[in-house]
Amino acid sequence: SQQGEEDPQALSIQEGENATMNCSYKTSINNLQWYRQNSGRGLVHLILIRSNEREKHSGRLRVTLDTSKKSSSLLITASRAADTASYFCATDGYSSASKIIFGSGTRLSIRP
Amino acid sequence: DSGVTQTPKHLITATGQRVTLRCSPRSGDLSVYWYQQSLDQGLQFLIQYYNGEERAKGNILERFSAQQFPDLHSELNLSSLELGDSALYFCASSIGTGLTGELFFGEGSRLTVL
Repeated sequence: SQQGEEDPQALSIQEGENATMNCSYKTSINNLQWYRQNSGRGLVHLILIRSNEREKHSGRLRVTLDTSKKSSSLLITASRAADTASYFCATDGYSSASKIIFGSGTRLSIRP
Repeated sequence: DSGVTQTPKHLITATGQRVTLRCSPRSGDLSVYWYQQSLDQGLQFLIQYYNGEERAKGNILERFSAQQFPDLHSELNLSSLELGDSALYFCASSIGTGLTGELFFGEGSRLTVL
């Protein structure tokens, strides 16, 4: 991977449970974003967290950022079948903001 | 609808051929990013343009080239195609550079090399 790794690679949970995905990156960053991709479609932005922030919330989403560990996590609470998708983190490098690198993604399946 | 338009949606061609993928960014966006996504893989950053100028380059092969025109649309040229070039190619646009704002993605161009 150019920049980030995500784990787990795949996650299957029951509807109503919480899903947690993790992202690690290699270099210092300015910002980190999470995106969602339905199968074969374009990615859709979910949430942005800046390097000086530790936690952000948006609806059922909670994102944390630990710059000392170069890692972030995305928590989706009370999952729904419609949350089935792949989730990617994206980072812009501190020294090269123009190079936006995506992690390898977590494939989330919600069982009804 | 993200406002980003990519054409063609699907393309089937033979090894050794050359193709051009086109991207029209969202109205008002100055940055265009190109990514390659192979089957069930992550997105590989290829190249970024801002207001007509190349700003960042990723692991883009020498057989690939791109440009952004004065009207801000962008083209990705892939030549001497190989089987391994089969992938989904995404274009994304944003107002500026970096991740201070979100990227808006097109629906991709699916390239199949036979």
